[in-house]
Amino acid sequence: QLLESGGGLIQPGGSLRLSCVASGFTFSSHAMNWVRQAPGKGLDWVSVISGNGANTYSAASVKGRFTISRDNSKNTVYLQMNSLSADDTAIYYCARSQRYVAEPLDFWGQGTLVTVSS
Amino acid sequence: ESVVTQSPGTLSLSPGERATLSCRASQSVSTNYLAWYQHKPGQAPRLLIYGASTRATGIPDRFSGSGSGTDFTLTINRLEPEDFAVYYCHQYGSTPRFGQGTKVEIK
Repeated sequence: QLLESGGGLIQPGGSLRLSCVASGFTFSSHAMNWVRQAPGKGLDWVSVISGNGANTYSAASVKGRFTISRDNSKNTVYLQMNSLSADDTAIYYCARSQRYVAEPLDFWGQGTLVTVSS
Repeated sequence: ESVVTQSPGTLSLSPGERATLSCRASQSVSTNYLAWYQHKPGQAPRLLIYGASTRATGIPDRFSGSGSGTDFTLTINRLEPEDFAVYYCHQYGSTPRFGQGTKVEIK
């Protein structure tokens, strides 16, 4: 199971940290991703972190503003989001890679909604 | 920068018909790193196909994927009522990208 939390209403320019708690599998054996879906739009990959946390990659649209991290002792992956704008309004999904970074996403959470608005 | 384009945007079909969805990448997809997902409103997306043609665990055999290079296809034979949803292709190589989605709706 993947359970996201931390979403909510935030003003433009603000910060928010999302969390995703995993259960039912060996968390450290899988890369983890964040994928978002803006209202009425399609899926948009955001960021990925390797199983041991040593490697991270992010989409150009969030690079320098969003940071992905993980705590394998807590089976949790995070997304720190800074300098938020209206364009970041979306449902944010946590998704597991089959194993490594550049692999398909074989398990997804239900998502948490982030709304950026004044 | 590679762009992934799906067509058509919407497919109107009846249960029992065949759905054929297209996904085209602007650059060749290395090692067929191409997946398909099903997404229903209010639910988590579900992996259907990876490696262009391998069905994920538990996916019925009416779903099949084909293609290579830049052109890929998802075929759903004999549409069931639960198959009406939005389908996304996903290039999961060096820079992951999703297509914009194809909605399969009941005619």
